[in-house]
Order: sequence, then C-alpha cells, then structure tokens
Amino acid sequence: AQSVTQPDIHITVSEGASLELRCNYSYGATPYLFWYVQSPGQGLQLLLKYFSGDTLVQGIKGFEAEFKRSQSSFNLRKPSVHWSDAAEYFCAVGAGSNYQLIWGAGTKLIIKP
Amino acid sequence: EADIYQTPRYLVIGTGKKITLECSQTMGHDKMYWYQQDPGMELHLIHYSYGVNSTEKGDLSSESTVSRIRTEHFPLTLESARPSHTSQYLCASSPGPRGSVQIQYFGPGTRLTVT
Repeated sequence: AQSVTQPDIHITVSEGASLELRCNYSYGATPYLFWYVQSPGQGLQLLLKYFSGDTLVQGIKGFEAEFKRSQSSFNLRKPSVHWSDAAEYFCAVGAGSNYQLIWGAGTKLIIKP
Repeated sequence: EADIYQTPRYLVIGTGKKITLECSQTMGHDKMYWYQQDPGMELHLIHYSYGVNSTEKGDLSSESTVSRIRTEHFPLTLESARPSHTSQYLCASSPGPRGSVQIQYFGPGTRLTVT
C-alpha cells in the first residue's frame, strides 16, 4: 500500500539557519509529490509540487525540494529560515487508482529567535 | 488561486445534535474533498466528489454524509454528533478530470467540538 513518512514530528531551528524536512514515500511508480504548509488555525497552502522533469523544484517563500527516486524521498529545504516560517509542513503523494493524495503526519517547525 | 470558504470556522455543540459544515468554492472546480485532521496525524480523506451528483466515501470510515447538488457547494452533515466527532474538518477542491492529479486548494477549516 502507498504511504508517506515524515520521520520528524517536530524540528527546532534558529532563525537564519538552514532547514531540511524529510519525506519518504512508498509507491511503485513515479509519484506526484507535494509539500503543503499549514499555519495555526489555517488551511493548507501549496509550497511546491513535482510531477515530472527537473528533480529539483522551486516553490514559494524561498523553499525548494529535491526528488530522489533511488531513495524514495522528496525532502524540503530552505537556506535561511525566518520566524514567519514557523508552521506545520505536510508532504503528500498523489497515487493509487484514483490518484487521491496520501498524506504524511506532518512536521512542526519551531523557530528559535 | 482558488477561493474556498468554510463556515463555521469554530463550532461547539452538544451530543446528539445535527450539524452541517458548509464548503463553497468559486473557481468552478469539479473535484471537491472533505478531510478530517487530528493533531499529529495525517489528513484522512472522508468524502470526495468528481462533480454534481457524484459523491464517494474516502479511506476513513465516517458517519457523516455529503451532497453535491451544485458545482460550487459541498456540505458535510452529521446527523447525530458525538464526542468522537471532535476534530478539524478541511474542505478542498481541485481542477482537472477524474483520474488526474492536480493541486488541491484548501479552505481554512472548521474546528468542531462535541461536548
């Protein structure tokens, strides 16, 4: 069965430091991959997506992610975080016979001043 | 970017009451979804629709029901609320035909508490 794993429940980084959030998926074919961000009390906003082509994708707010087929990973990165990046980040895979999204449990990002 | 609205944003209600969570989108998207979200857990799909008069149950068993009489409107109803229904409910929509993967656009959510 398809699944998405975000190994880190929460991550704390200092403002200005670099960030990497991990996402691993289980799916037999090439997946459609997404990263969403959720601020407190809000819905989810798309950060970036990978459907095909260049495996390094750029998103909004200075985020990027790299699809690595050999590692079944789609990690999210940002070179320098800002306090406003504090939120919960969700990785999702579009897969299966009806192409619904399968979601990870999320990683909560905490920013130290 | 899609505009998608959910009301109410917060609801506290007693056990046994009937409730309807509203969701509307203005982008003409055919596909709409309801997710249940609990803290520290992945989003669980409870209902989806491919268009008017189309509704399907998702992966998570739910005692709720949905309807899709108009493209823009996808309400979720609980006939008799129970404390186990306490959760956040997220509505989403996406363009594109059935069988395609597209970006899902989310509403702000309804936080439901059943006492």
